[in-house]
Amino acid sequence: GQNIDQPTEMTATEGAIVQINCTYQTSGFNGLFWYQQHAGEAPTFLSYNVLDGLEEKGRFSSFLSRSKGYSYLLLKELQMKDSASYLCAGLNSGGYQKVTFGTGTKLQVIP
Amino acid sequence: KAGVTQTPRYLIKTRGQQVTLSCSPISGHRSVSWYQQTPGQGLQFLFEYFSETQRNKGNFPGRFSGRQFSNSRSEMNVSTLELGDSALYLCASSLGEKGTEAFFGQGTRLTVV
Repeated sequence: GQNIDQPTEMTATEGAIVQINCTYQTSGFNGLFWYQQHAGEAPTFLSYNVLDGLEEKGRFSSFLSRSKGYSYLLLKELQMKDSASYLCAGLNSGGYQKVTFGTGTKLQVIP
Repeated sequence: KAGVTQTPRYLIKTRGQQVTLSCSPISGHRSVSWYQQTPGQGLQFLFEYFSETQRNKGNFPGRFSGRQFSNSRSEMNVSTLELGDSALYLCASSLGEKGTEAFFGQGTRLTVV
């Protein structure tokens, strides 16, 4: 499986930009997911990257560098409702849906 | 369309007992994955079923097992419960192709006393 590493907690100000980093083991890697999980709720899909580069989806963007084993999630124009845990997850090669999750980054957005 | 349904939502069991959790995926989805979520460990992959076959398995003891029925509904069973099995158990359904989005259910909160 993957060794997924991401910061435990982050704090950012409403209206600002925040970047949540994720590093992973490159061997056996086949793609990277980002999920958002509000407290007490199920995770919801944000993005999936398999090729190098930046993918933008509204206020959220996700970046992947396969050679460096690195990804980040960029959140722009932060809103209070963005306070949640952000889970980075690696898709293992050979396993169609064998996904290894990181422990998540708890983001707190403050006024 | 209806989302992923997990039952029951909450469960309290005693050490040594066994438990069965149920997951109904989104209509048309053939892949069901199960995860255990605890505060310290995050989401841990248990196993994945696709068309009634276990396709992937995580690193959990044999006390954890599952199955999938012809209608894609899945059950997860934990035997000889231990205190450490207390967790949120999440089920995720997807079409089953590589990299496809997984839709999570609300989970079953299991407490072992």
